[in-house]
Amino acid sequence: GESVGLHLPTLSVQEGDNSIINCAYSNSASDYFIWYKQESGKGPQFIIDIRSNMDKRQGQRVTVLLNKTVKHLSLQIAATQPGDSAVYFCAERWRGGGNKLTFGTGTQLKVEL
Amino acid sequence: DSGVTQTPKHLITATGQRVTLRCSPRSGDLSVYWYQQSLDQGLQFLIQYYNGEERAKGNILERFSAQQFPDLHSELNLSSLELGDSALYFCASSVGGRPGTDTQYFGPGTRLTVL
Repeated sequence: GESVGLHLPTLSVQEGDNSIINCAYSNSASDYFIWYKQESGKGPQFIIDIRSNMDKRQGQRVTVLLNKTVKHLSLQIAATQPGDSAVYFCAERWRGGGNKLTFGTGTQLKVEL
Repeated sequence: DSGVTQTPKHLITATGQRVTLRCSPRSGDLSVYWYQQSLDQGLQFLIQYYNGEERAKGNILERFSAQQFPDLHSELNLSSLELGDSALYFCASSVGGRPGTDTQYFGPGTRLTVL
């Protein structure tokens, strides 16, 4: 479950469109998942989380979907705005590993005007 | 603003030196976590403290050490610095320490440059 940040995948979307950012997690025993947003020069900012006993959770303009069968997580952002431009990370937490988080590679979201 | 503070914001030093990074958690949070973010390794968990005690350890080098003080602030000490230690170092805090849906909130980070 170690992330390798050699090349960040990039998603470019038009302002006002919906964005879908995907993440494949590594540990089938992970029980808690979080999406973070990181803007340039800043620390990761919590967006939304989901427990493994759920398959969908909605927040304000964001939805997280969890598919445990294929170990896949997605973040949907509705009506994407320029302020959404950032790197998005998924993170997983395995109960047996304490509360430490294992982060994915990250996806660069670019919003075009 | 997450409520987690880190100092200094930037640190430039030479190989072989030792530095100390400082973190103050959000008010009421008992757990502190340290992460390293480098270009080729992404965000990596280093170590967690809960109420002054070490709780979990990740890929932390022996040259690195940390502690959490009675007032709950934490320090990460990096010694015998190498060029490869150049990275962003983030501190995060959360309310508790037992496994659960305990959200971690990140500070703004310290950018360490080793020349």
